[in-house]
Amino acid sequence: EVQLVESGGGLVKPGGSLRLSCAASGFTFRIYSMNWVRQAPGKGLEWVSSITGGSNYMYYTDSVKGRFTVSRDNAKSSLYLEMNSLRAEDTAVYYCARDRTSGGYNSLNAFDIWGQGTMVTVSS
Amino acid sequence: DIVLTQSPGTLSLSPGERATLSCRASQSLSLNFLAWYQQKPGQAPRLLIYGASSRATGIPDRFSGSGSGTDFTLTISRLEPEDFAVYYCQQYGSSPQTFGQGTKVEIK
Repeated sequence: EVQLVESGGGLVKPGGSLRLSCAASGFTFRIYSMNWVRQAPGKGLEWVSSITGGSNYMYYTDSVKGRFTVSRDNAKSSLYLEMNSLRAEDTAVYYCARDRTSGGYNSLNAFDIWGQGTMVTVSS
Repeated sequence: DIVLTQSPGTLSLSPGERATLSCRASQSLSLNFLAWYQQKPGQAPRLLIYGASSRATGIPDRFSGSGSGTDFTLTISRLEPEDFAVYYCQQYGSSPQTFGQGTKVEIK
């Protein structure tokens, strides 16, 4: 079964750090670009970051540039999001999602597989 | 950034009725790179349509997408009880990719 499972969310104070993980299974992880998408409570979806299969390219939405770092370990079929200098406006459910087609080299694709999400709350 | 505006905000319909959801882009989309997702409370989004009109794997044929340029439509031909949810459009033709604000389809 194709599956993505996120972990690592929690409550953190403003200015703090958190590392999210996404474990993939059921498909050849290394050939797909992967993504992080977030959803603030009661709000819509926002693309956060993408990383190509070989980690050659990483992309970020402007509001997280310089604070968040996306990475992956293809040997472990895992995706990560290192989040630093967290702000209240980063509070959201964070989803990892797979590009619909393999071999992508940019941050532009539909997402066909999603994890269940992990909640990040930034509050003092 | 390309802004996607979805209308209406809420659609109140009965099971068996036809639902028509609109997504308008602030600029013409490259190669009609427009997707539609369904999201139910407490669940992750589910891909329904990509490339404006292609159904994703396992999606029933009562869901159809159409449109080009700046105007796109998701049609649900006959609403089933499980179709009541929030629907989002997404453009992935121009960086950064962006989502619409969503349309809620509720039971009348």
